[in-house]
Amino acid sequence: EVQLVESGGGLVQPGGSLRLSCAASGFTFSSYWMSWVRQAPGKGLEWVANIKQDGSEKYYVESVKGRFTISRDNAKNSLYLQMNSLRDEDTAVYYCARDKGRADIGIRFDYWGQGTLVTVSS
Amino acid sequence: QSVLTQPPSVSAAPGQKVTISCSGSSSNIGNNYVSWYQQLPGTAPKLLIYDNDKRPSGIPDRFSGSRSGTSATLGISGLQTGDEADYYCGTWESSLSAAVFGGGTELTVL
Repeated sequence: EVQLVESGGGLVQPGGSLRLSCAASGFTFSSYWMSWVRQAPGKGLEWVANIKQDGSEKYYVESVKGRFTISRDNAKNSLYLQMNSLRDEDTAVYYCARDKGRADIGIRFDYWGQGTLVTVSS
Repeated sequence: QSVLTQPPSVSAAPGQKVTISCSGSSSNIGNNYVSWYQQLPGTAPKLLIYDNDKRPSGIPDRFSGSRSGTSATLGISGLQTGDEADYYCGTWESSLSAAVFGGGTELTVL
């Protein structure tokens, strides 16, 4: 059974940092593009970043470029999101998602984690 | 303002059919595959349609997808109260090298 389990969310002050993790199981993690998607309270979905199978390609939404870094450890079946210089507007539930295809011709997020809440507030 | 435009809400009676539109441009829907997601209240999104019109295993054929030019459409027939949810379209935006979602459509089954 495919499982994605996020962790690392919490309350952080503006300007602070947080590292999210996503533990994957039930599939060959190293064979898939992976993404982070967030959802602010009461708002829609916003894609944040993705990473190729071997980590050689990474893409980000404009609003997090230079502040967030996506990475993966295929030996540990884990996906990460390092978030620095956090802002109020980064407050959201963060989901990790598996992409069943090639990310640069379309998205196909076939499995999602349960999400982890990040709250940026003083 | 989302790159992909969806109606904020749609509604229909149980048993009826509803369609949800997703409008984009040549740099996203026009040249890349579209997927659709259902998000029930308090849960993670679920993939309903991928590659414009394909259904993952386990998704009933009441759900259908299509793409024409720079627009895509999700169809839901035989509406049930359990279909009440938010629906999102998504694709790759080639000009930004980024994935994008529509703003979401809230479905009410009256």
